[in-house]
Amino acid sequence: LAKTTQPISMDSYEGQEVNITCSHNNIATNDYITWYQQFPSQGPRFIIQGYKTKVTNEVASLFIPADRKSSTLSLPRVSLSDTAVYYCLVVENSGYALNFGKGTSLLVTP
Amino acid sequence: NAGVTQTPKFQVLKTGQSMTLQCAQDMNHNSMYWYRQDPGMGLRLIYYSASEGTTDKGEVPNGYNVSRLNKREFSLRLESAAPSQTSVYFCASSDSLTGNQPQHFGDGTRLSIL
Repeated sequence: LAKTTQPISMDSYEGQEVNITCSHNNIATNDYITWYQQFPSQGPRFIIQGYKTKVTNEVASLFIPADRKSSTLSLPRVSLSDTAVYYCLVVENSGYALNFGKGTSLLVTP
Repeated sequence: NAGVTQTPKFQVLKTGQSMTLQCAQDMNHNSMYWYRQDPGMGLRLIYYSASEGTTDKGEVPNGYNVSRLNKREFSLRLESAAPSQTSVYFCASSDSLTGNQPQHFGDGTRLSIL
């Protein structure tokens, strides 16, 4: 399993853009980069997934450079309700295991 | 649309007692998973089921057994509970056992073993 490294915590004010960077130096050719969000007392929720370049959905954008050794989750104009733990995962296309690690705890304040 | 439903939501057991955690999904997914999450830790995979009729060990299977009852249901059993099994248990499902299929999680069962 490709190991990921991301900041333990981040703080932001409401309305700002938040970028969480994850490093995955030993990512393999067939691996996908996937981000999950977890609120207290809830299970993780899938946010976005990408293989290369940029992916955008209604919630976030995911930027992946050409070497794929890192990725950045971008949350535009965060609100208080975006306070959560965000997990970066590298997932083998042929595999199943999700290595969640400890994630990044994002705190959004007024 | 319920998604993944786990029961019970909370449970307190005494050491040595047995218990079965239930999980059901209504998304017609083939693959299902059981994870545990300890305070300040990420999720760790206990067991998974690629498809109906198959189960396999994950990262931390000791002390647990599972049953894939049918396509919808995947249960986790603690035969003789130990305090080290105090944790939050999450069930998840996905369309298939490949990395590009997101997993959908239930809201967990909070289990305390005294």
